[in-house]
Amino acid sequence: DTGVSQNPRHKITKRGQNVTFRCDPISEHNRLYWYRQTLGQGPEFLTYFQNEAQLEKSRLLSDRFSAERPKGSFSTLEIQRTEQGDSAMYLCASSHSWDRVLNEQFFGPGTRLTVL
Amino acid sequence: SQQGEEDPQALSIQEGENATMNCSYKTSINNLQWYRQNSGRGLVHLILIRSNEREKHSGRLRVTLDTSKKSSSLLITASRAADTASYFCATYANAGGTSYGKLTFGQGTILTVHP
Repeated sequence: DTGVSQNPRHKITKRGQNVTFRCDPISEHNRLYWYRQTLGQGPEFLTYFQNEAQLEKSRLLSDRFSAERPKGSFSTLEIQRTEQGDSAMYLCASSHSWDRVLNEQFFGPGTRLTVL
Repeated sequence: SQQGEEDPQALSIQEGENATMNCSYKTSINNLQWYRQNSGRGLVHLILIRSNEREKHSGRLRVTLDTSKKSSSLLITASRAADTASYFCATYANAGGTSYGKLTFGQGTILTVHP
């Protein structure tokens, strides 16, 4: 399977705990995006990487959130001291920067986070 | 704030009927894309229309774009039960070449196709 993969698919945690999600993009894609989707809403942009550089962050990404993409391959999104409001689906997408006009993004299946 | 807003929020039809969903947006765009999401899953890219295009077809899908009204519509013809899903429009705006390709999504239309 050469699509975008995300792990874990589901995560249940208690308020105050830290969680980390992983995204493996399509191998030849150098752009990687994280989005958050709450129930009944469309996805909202969180952050963007081109290769290993984090080039854009949304104001939604509070200090408790950090994302990395070491070596420009997989990416991790960590949430520290989780709050119930962090409960959402976290989606990862990838694309290739040569496609500046089209920017078709390919999405992973998402990680559903539930904070109790 | 949401760039794209879809209507209706929910649509229920019988198999074989056509389904039309509309999307409005607020700023100038480079392209507009439609995605499908089955319950609790990731998004699947359906079709992309550039800002200089007015209509595009892909199989049973027809997308129109009216940049003067900042609106788009997605038509699914001869719907099937398997088309039941949420449909989102997403806009890409590379203003001044500084955008890195983030998509701005609407709230989506929930389509239910009854067999």
